[in-house]
Amino acid sequence: SQQGEEDPQALSIQEGENATMNCSYKTSINNLQWYRQNSGRGLVHLILIRSNEREKHSGRLRVTLDTSKKSSSLLITASRAADTASYFCATGWNNNDMRFGAGTRLTVKP
Amino acid sequence: GAGVSQSPSNKVTEKGKDVELRCDPISGHTALYWYRQRLGQGLEFLIYFQGNSAPDKSGLPSDRFSAERTGESVSTLTIQRTQQEDSAVYLCASSGQGAQPQHFGDGTRLSIL
Repeated sequence: SQQGEEDPQALSIQEGENATMNCSYKTSINNLQWYRQNSGRGLVHLILIRSNEREKHSGRLRVTLDTSKKSSSLLITASRAADTASYFCATGWNNNDMRFGAGTRLTVKP
Repeated sequence: GAGVSQSPSNKVTEKGKDVELRCDPISGHTALYWYRQRLGQGLEFLIYFQGNSAPDKSGLPSDRFSAERTGESVSTLTIQRTQQEDSAVYLCASSGQGAQPQHFGDGTRLSIL
C-alpha cells in the first residue's frame, strides 16, 4: 500500500517546544505531502517534497525525506497554541494514487 | 470564491433516504477527489476524477455510493438508502494535473438518524 502511516498518533507539548511527527510508507513514491487539519475544517496543504529531495523548509516547518528508510518527518519549531491541529502525510506517484494516513493529533498547551 | 466549495455543510437525514452532496472545485483544476472521514479518523479515499478519463472508483465502499462530474466542473456524490454507518464528514478536494497539492473544501457533515 502507498498509504503513509503517521507516528505518534497523538502528541502534546508546551508552547515554545519543537514538535516532530513521522510518516512511514511501504512502496516507492515520487512525492510526499504534509497537510494540516483544524477541527471541523478541510485539510490545508503545508509542504510537498519530491523523491529526489531530502529536505524542505517553509517558515517554522522543516520536512525531511529518507527514501532508503521510506520515511519522512515534519518538524514544527517554536510551537504555538495555534499549531494545535491534526497533521497528515500523503504519499504516492501522481494525483490518482495519493493516499492519506490516519494523522497525528498535536496539542500545543499555552 | 477562490477555494473548493461544498454543500450542504451539514446534512441530517433518516436511515434509508438518499442524499446528494455537491462539490465545486477550483476553476481550472482537472483532478477532483472525494474522501470520507469518520470522527477522529484519517481520510478514506472514495473516488477520483481526472479530466475526461474514466474515474477511479476503487474506494467506493458499496454500490449505494456513486459520483458524477460534468467535465472539469461540479461533482456530486450520491449515497442511496443511507445507513447509520454512512455518518461521517465527506471531503472534496481538487488539484492541478500531475503531483500537485490538493485543495480541500470544509466538507459535508452527514448524520444518519
